Amino acid sequence: AQKVTQAQTEISVVEKEDVTLDCVYETRDTTYYLFWYKQPPSGELVFLIRRNSFDEQNEISGRYSWNFQKSTSSFNFTITASQVVDSAVYFCALSEARGGSYIPTFGRGTSLIVHP
Amino acid sequence: ETGVTQTPRHLVMGMTNKKSLKCEQHLGHNAMYWYKQSAKKPLELMFVYNFKEQTENNSVPSRFSPECPNSSHLFLHLHTLQPEDSALYLCASSQEGQAMNTEAFFGQGTRLTVV
Repeated sequence: AQKVTQAQTEISVVEKEDVTLDCVYETRDTTYYLFWYKQPPSGELVFLIRRNSFDEQNEISGRYSWNFQKSTSSFNFTITASQVVDSAVYFCALSEARGGSYIPTFGRGTSLIVHP
Repeated sequence: ETGVTQTPRHLVMGMTNKKSLKCEQHLGHNAMYWYKQSAKKPLELMFVYNFKEQTENNSVPSRFSPECPNSSHLFLHLHTLQPEDSALYLCASSQEGQAMNTEAFFGQGTRLTVV
């Protein structure tokens, strides 16, 4: 079973639309971290946000916002007024203890295409 | 620019060739990683080095051989690969490989094609 599920393989929107990328995770740990990364066509994954399991406050950064809900094990990412430059693959990741180390487990990613 | 540089960006190799991928980070990080990204699959962690010591080998076939001569450099030596090894190989680094709250910084990857 996947530890991090990004059910949306691909989302296509028109510029200025709002879009939400879903992430559902699975862990038995009480302490863990969640991340979102963006992978533009150039290839490198770019870190967007980190959230620990004890902080359920939603966060807003410009057009980006994140909704963390432990009750549903979800950490969703919303882009408001999407732009063509937002087109990328977005990865959600979970970092939990594993044999003394903390290694992030990534979801399969959601490809976002924003049309002009 | 993430501070992690990978070379080459593209590589085509035959199944009998030997080649190496290089990764260099200028961030002063202590942990470095190799990931494999295949189409339609999650990112697969291959190897983790923490303070130059390998701390994780995720059941990777021996035709992939990592080397970490110092905290700034990481290599992936390739030999007798198979066509299914064709993928994007991503290198990443982080401040501390055993801290769960550490985000990783990724290189742009090497697009490997095995023919």
